[in-house]
Amino acid sequence: KAGVTQTPRYLIKTRGQQVTLSCSPISGHRSVSWYQQTPGQGLQFLFEYFSETQRNKGNFPGRFSGRQFSNSRSEMNVSTLELGDSALYLCASSLPTGPHDYGYTFGSGTRLTVV
Amino acid sequence: SQQGEEDPQALSIQEGENATMNCSYKTSINNLQWYRQNSGRGLVHLILIRSNEREKHSGRLRVTLDTSKKSSSLLITASRAADTASYFCATDVTSGSRLTFGEGTQLTVNP
Repeated sequence: KAGVTQTPRYLIKTRGQQVTLSCSPISGHRSVSWYQQTPGQGLQFLFEYFSETQRNKGNFPGRFSGRQFSNSRSEMNVSTLELGDSALYLCASSLPTGPHDYGYTFGSGTRLTVV
Repeated sequence: SQQGEEDPQALSIQEGENATMNCSYKTSINNLQWYRQNSGRGLVHLILIRSNEREKHSGRLRVTLDTSKKSSSLLITASRAADTASYFCATDVTSGSRLTFGEGTQLTVNP
C-alpha cells in the first residue's frame, strides 16, 4: 500500500511570506499529525487532526495552522515566515485508535528553507 | 520541549558489534516507541513497547522498558553498515494523540 505522501519535498521561501504544506496519509488512516524538526529544538509536535478536527495542539505560535479534509488529507500553513521556521516538517498518520504495534507512519518530509 | 534524553548522543562501532542506546523520560506513558532516521529523511518505526511490557524483540532489535526508572534501552545486535542512522525514542502518553521525542543517538557502523 502507498505510504504517507508529503509535498513538496523542498521549498525555499522569503521572510514574511506564507507557505502551505500537504500530507496524504495511508489509506484508512484518519489521524494525521505534524512535527517540526530543527537542529536546535529537535522533533517537536505541532498538531494532530482526526476526522477534520484538531484533536491536539503543540506549543507553537498562531502563525502555524492546519486543517484536514474529508478524505483525511491534511495541510499545514505557516504565515509570516521567520528565519527560525526553517526546518524539516514531518507528517505522520496512524489508525484512529492509536499506534497499536505499528507505531506511526511518517512521510519523507518537506524541507523548508526561509531566506 | 523534549520529554527525555538519549544516551549516548553519538556512537561509533564496527560491523558485527552490538549497539546499545538508552532513553530516559519524565512522565508516565502509555507506550514508548523507537524510530530510525536516515540523513534528514522521514522517520521509520522500529518497535513499540507498552507500559505493561518489560522487554520486546523484533529481529535484531531488543527493547527494554523500566517504568520505575522511566528509562528504556534499544539493543541492535550484529550491527551492519546499513544500520548507520539516527535513532530516536518517543513516548506516547495517551496512545494515539502525540509523540514526544528524545534528542536522538547518531549511530555510525563502520564496515
